[in-house]
Amino acid sequence: GAVVSQHPSRVICKSGTSVKIECRSLDFQATTMFWYRQFPKQSLMLMATSNEGSKATYEQGVEKDKFLINHASLTLSTLTVTSAHPEDSSFYICSARPGAGDSPLHFGNGTRLTVT
Amino acid sequence: GEDVEQSLFLSVREGDSSVINCTYTDSSSTYLYWYKQEPGAGLQLLTYIFSNMDMKQDQRLTVLLNKKDKHLSLRIADTQTGDSAIYFCAETPDRGSTLGRLYFGRGTQLTVWP
Repeated sequence: GAVVSQHPSRVICKSGTSVKIECRSLDFQATTMFWYRQFPKQSLMLMATSNEGSKATYEQGVEKDKFLINHASLTLSTLTVTSAHPEDSSFYICSARPGAGDSPLHFGNGTRLTVT
Repeated sequence: GEDVEQSLFLSVREGDSSVINCTYTDSSSTYLYWYKQEPGAGLQLLTYIFSNMDMKQDQRLTVLLNKKDKHLSLRIADTQTGDSAIYFCAETPDRGSTLGRLYFGRGTQLTVWP
């Protein structure tokens, strides 16, 4: 089945540094990928939609200068958390949809970010 | 925005059936999904149902959709300890759209006792 690979799975960084998270579609091309954020014991919230070859679309309340998204190829989207702070600590999950709009979203295994 | 509601906890004994319920508000929902999340892991797609279907069965999983009441349920037959996880209900109002965003419930923590 369709596989979405995400790494790193876990990262600890110091406050003020930047962290890059990669999301790859392994056996399909994805013109669109989605980045979600999950707080402990909470649901998933869509942060942004990553579009290959164009700018990402951010959800209301998500700072685009803080969460930089680059979708440089049909199989790779990256999320960079810039100048990370402890409140950015969270679980970040990417997803992509193989095939047409009727196919379900598949998710990566997520990245646990801890900012100290 | 769209609201998706789930009960937060469910406990069952191994071998029993589990039923996880979900309600949603968006009458234009096209697809409804069930995802499973184990501790520290991402989301695993379990099954999904199109809004013009009433029921879908896949091995131990049965999904029932009552579109009139906007109620979705997931039944797991012969529940095993390995089924212990958080189960998310999600829906999307988009069909054929590149957006395809999902709206999630808060998840139901299923605990299976041996």
